Amino acid sequence: GAVVSQHPSWVICKSGTSVKIECRSLDFQATTMFWYRQFPKQSLMLMATSNEGSKATYEQGVEKDKFLINHASLTLSTLTVTSAHPEDSSFYICSAREPGTTSDIQYFGAGTRLSVL
Amino acid sequence: GDSVTQMEGPVTLSEEAFLTINCTYTATGYPSLFWYVQYPGEGLQLLLKATKADDKGSNKGFEATYRKETTSFHLEKGSVQVSDSAVYFCALVQGNRDDKIIFGKGTRLHILP
Repeated sequence: GAVVSQHPSWVICKSGTSVKIECRSLDFQATTMFWYRQFPKQSLMLMATSNEGSKATYEQGVEKDKFLINHASLTLSTLTVTSAHPEDSSFYICSAREPGTTSDIQYFGAGTRLSVL
Repeated sequence: GDSVTQMEGPVTLSEEAFLTINCTYTATGYPSLFWYVQYPGEGLQLLLKATKADDKGSNKGFEATYRKETTSFHLEKGSVQVSDSAVYFCALVQGNRDDKIIFGKGTRLHILP
């Protein structure tokens, strides 16, 4: 089946620095990618939807200037957490959807655990 | 707003035991319902789904029936195996709201040999 690779799987950074997380669709072209965040013992919460070549659509309450999303190609989307703070520590998960498929057919990355010191 | 509530884990069972993971939902209209599974070190995978009331989704020995009267979609398996150890997420998608999946918190399942 389709594979989505997410990198890195775990990152530790100092407060105030920026961290970039990559999400790649390895064997299909993903016109739409999604970024989720999961706090311990909480649900996955959709942060934003990105379509290749256009600006991301952010969910209510998600700061677009803090969580920069770039989807410059059909196989790569990046999430940059700018000026990270300890409260940004969380598990970030991306997913990708093939064009023409229904919304339940999303292929998920294994996630990135971000720890901000 | 729409939401999904599933039983908290971890759930620990012996191999060959019967499994039930409860899931209930709150939603307007007629959502589609899903179970996703996340094995250690891997991304979430769609396990099964049901798109309308009384539909039964099934896959790999797992089953779940869309019960509109009780707004539930409980996951069941008659005889679990060690390889079923994973985190299971119940989820819904509204038919009129493209792409947005509403997830439950996940239930971690441990199967002991």
